[in-house]
Amino acid sequence: DTAVSQTPKYLVTQMGNDKSIKCEQNLGHDTMYWYKQDSKKFLKIMFSYNNKELIINETVPNRFSPKSPDKAHLNLHINSLELGDSAVYFCASSGTALTGELFFGEGSRLTVL
Amino acid sequence: SQQGEEDPQALSIQEGENATMNCSYKTSINNLQWYRQNSGRGLVHLILIRSNEREKHSGRLRVTLDTSKKSSSLLITASRAADTASYFCATDAVGGANNLFFGTGTRLTVIP
Repeated sequence: DTAVSQTPKYLVTQMGNDKSIKCEQNLGHDTMYWYKQDSKKFLKIMFSYNNKELIINETVPNRFSPKSPDKAHLNLHINSLELGDSAVYFCASSGTALTGELFFGEGSRLTVL
Repeated sequence: SQQGEEDPQALSIQEGENATMNCSYKTSINNLQWYRQNSGRGLVHLILIRSNEREKHSGRLRVTLDTSKKSSSLLITASRAADTASYFCATDAVGGANNLFFGTGTRLTVIP
């Protein structure tokens, strides 16, 4: 069974569109994250949710909105996509909000044309 | 920022050789972690070392931590072609948000 799964794996879209990426974890973890990895492999945290509550909101544009219907799911919705949003987005989870080991999904590669 | 920096950016070695990667960071930490990322895949946790530890082993991996120099090293002994991947260090920040900061990674290529 996949521990952290995210869909879709690939997403190609036009500028200005709205898209969503879904993430689910079956590890029973309380904390979930979204990370963005750019073309230089730099990985930066975007959001963190602990038991459905937002606990970190790094300086990302408000076009990005995370939604957590329950502690096993953390979805990422992006409005008005821009060229600079092209990246690989990783969902991750951990059993504690105190920076324990992270379990990552396989990533969703977003390409904005 | 707390971002870690790995060194070298890329490393190419022959199978059977040892590979050493270094990580430097900027502020005090609670712990430091190393992750591996195969091409096109997610990151996989390798090892965690706490700020009060100086060395840790896991199989062919050896991690050291020098908090006075704010640096860590990852040694992979007797490398295999399957070790080819990017390796990232990740640090938290004492007193900061419960957050991990990753560097840009070392790309390791092990030649069969």
